[in-house]
Amino acid sequence: SQQGEEDPQALSIQEGENATMNCSYKTSINNLQWYRQNSGRGLVHLILIRSNEREKHSGRLRVTLDTSKKSSSLLITASRAADTASYFCATVSGQKVTFGIGTKLQVIP
Amino acid sequence: GAGVSQSPSNKVTEKGKDVELRCDPISGHTALYWYRQSLGQGLEFLIYFQGNSAPDKSGLPSDRFSAERTGGSVSTLTIQRTQQEDSAVYLCASRDTSSGNTIYFGEGSWLTVV
Repeated sequence: SQQGEEDPQALSIQEGENATMNCSYKTSINNLQWYRQNSGRGLVHLILIRSNEREKHSGRLRVTLDTSKKSSSLLITASRAADTASYFCATVSGQKVTFGIGTKLQVIP
Repeated sequence: GAGVSQSPSNKVTEKGKDVELRCDPISGHTALYWYRQSLGQGLEFLIYFQGNSAPDKSGLPSDRFSAERTGGSVSTLTIQRTQQEDSAVYLCASRDTSSGNTIYFGEGSWLTVV
């Protein structure tokens, strides 16, 4: 298994519903970040949570981190069709940044 | 420029040919990363440069892959004797390790080996 595994790998929801994606990792980290990717191109940074933080909010995004379980979750509330994309978690340990395989989110209008 | 710039954005090459992919990081960013992403897959770490330190090449899949970073800025990823399995998007990212943790990505170079 690789560092930063997201689940589910694919998620399809109706517009207006909430979407929850999870990420598990194996080694100690400095921080964990979530990124969004449209159409297989560049990734866009969404939110960062440090290892000593448990929850963070940014607009419709809420991220939690449980270092004892080595897991994080990303919640997108009141989803919109424009949220359709792939979402990746990235663990940062020292200078090493490792990405998971991502969750493909489809929001149906 | 304001962001990470990669070129070419698309490259089609014949099997066996060499290719060079270029990355211009954000000015002043000391850290530079190369990742590879096959269709529908996650990001595979290739190589990492930090300032004048020796690069972390632990992710390079074979000796056909090499990368350099000249003057602490522009980086070139070279793939020699390309194979069809090298077809992927090659993503470059940079980070200012002194002031933040956010990693900024370029739009990637899509390589197709035919």
